[in-house]
This record gives sequence, structure tokens and C-alpha cells, in this order.
Amino acid sequence: GQQLNQSPQSMFIQEGEDVSMNCTSSSIFNTWLWYKQDPGEGPVLLIALYKAGELTSNGRLTAQFGTTRKDSFLNISASIPSDVGIYFCAGPGSGAGSYQLTFGKGTKLSVIP
Amino acid sequence: KAGVTQTPRYLIKTRGQQVTLSCSPISGHRSVSWYQQTPGQGLQFLFEYFSETQRNKGNFPGRFSGRQFSNSRSEMNVSTLELGDSALYLCASSSFSGEQAFFGQGTRLTVV
Repeated sequence: GQQLNQSPQSMFIQEGEDVSMNCTSSSIFNTWLWYKQDPGEGPVLLIALYKAGELTSNGRLTAQFGTTRKDSFLNISASIPSDVGIYFCAGPGSGAGSYQLTFGKGTKLSVIP
Repeated sequence: KAGVTQTPRYLIKTRGQQVTLSCSPISGHRSVSWYQQTPGQGLQFLFEYFSETQRNKGNFPGRFSGRQFSNSRSEMNVSTLELGDSALYLCASSSFSGEQAFFGQGTRLTVV
């Protein structure tokens, strides 16, 4: 089946720094979704991307749909302590698989005050 | 608009028992999906329902089943619980497909 590879797996940054993470796939995705999950909670949708090359922002977060349609990137500017959590990329499959999301393993972000 | 509501939040069950988890989707959403999240396997798709019909099922044993009611509320059932079923079970709703799914807070199931 489809697989999404996220990197890095974890990162420690100083408060105020910018963060970049990415997600790659061996197959094409028509939609990319970025979620954030806090401990013990469900994932919260941050940004949805629907077109190759699309760049979308949500506050300090910016995500891009890669032009090959096989990758996506998430940037967080001027990180703050509440950015701590696990960030997941996800995308729906094709055909019958379009009714399910495939998730990456996540990037765990730690912010040092 | 109220979000996705899952009940209960926490559950402790004994091996061999069965369990039923409930999910109320966002009002107007007709698609409900279920995912299992474990530290080792991450988020894995269980099944998806739309208008009371299961449209897709993940690679889980038949002990895992679900259903959707006419008001779009959904339940999932796990029979003959095993220790490995301990996980966070997440429900997600969307308007018509798996895209832009909104998740509930999850049910933390512990099997002892």
C-alpha cells in the first residue's frame, strides 16, 4: 500500500527558531493534509493542500504541495512552547482507497524555552 | 458547530472481553472513519462508513467491526480482546470522503 515517510522523526529547537519538516511518498497524492497531535488528544487539522505547487499559510504555519505531487513540506516560523507536539502528514488513497487516509509516522517537535 | 465526540474517553477491559466505542460526527458529516493509533504502528485505518454503508476496510482481523446509524453516528466493536488491542482509537468525520477529516479526542483502550 501507500506509505508516507516523514522527516525528521524528532527535533529539538529553541523557542523563536523556525522549523521545517517534510513528507515524501513513492506514489502520487492528490491531497496533502497536515495534522498536529497533542498527547492524549486526537489530531487537529492544520492545513489542507489540493493542488501541486500550492502554498498555504495558517498563522505561523506554511505548507507546500510539492510539484511532483509526491512530497509536501511544513514550516513553522518563530516557534513557541505551544508548538510542541507530533506533526503528521496524511493523504487519501486512490480509487476505493480514497475513503481512507494514509499517515506518516510523525515528526515530534520539542521547543526549548 | 460541535466537533467529533467520542465516548468513552478511557476504557479498561480484560482479555477475552468485548468492547463497543461510540462516535458522533460533526453535524452534517456523513462519512465516519476509524483509526487505531499505537506507538509502534502509528495511525492505521480500520474502516470507513458513509450513509450506513462500509466503503472501505483496513487490514485488521474480523474481531474488529463497525456500523453506522441513520443519524451518521457510528460504533466500532472489538470482540475477544487481546493485549495488543490496547491503543488510542480515533474517529474522524468528513463531509463525503476521507479528505479533510476532523478527528475526535479518541478513546484510550487498555486491555489487561
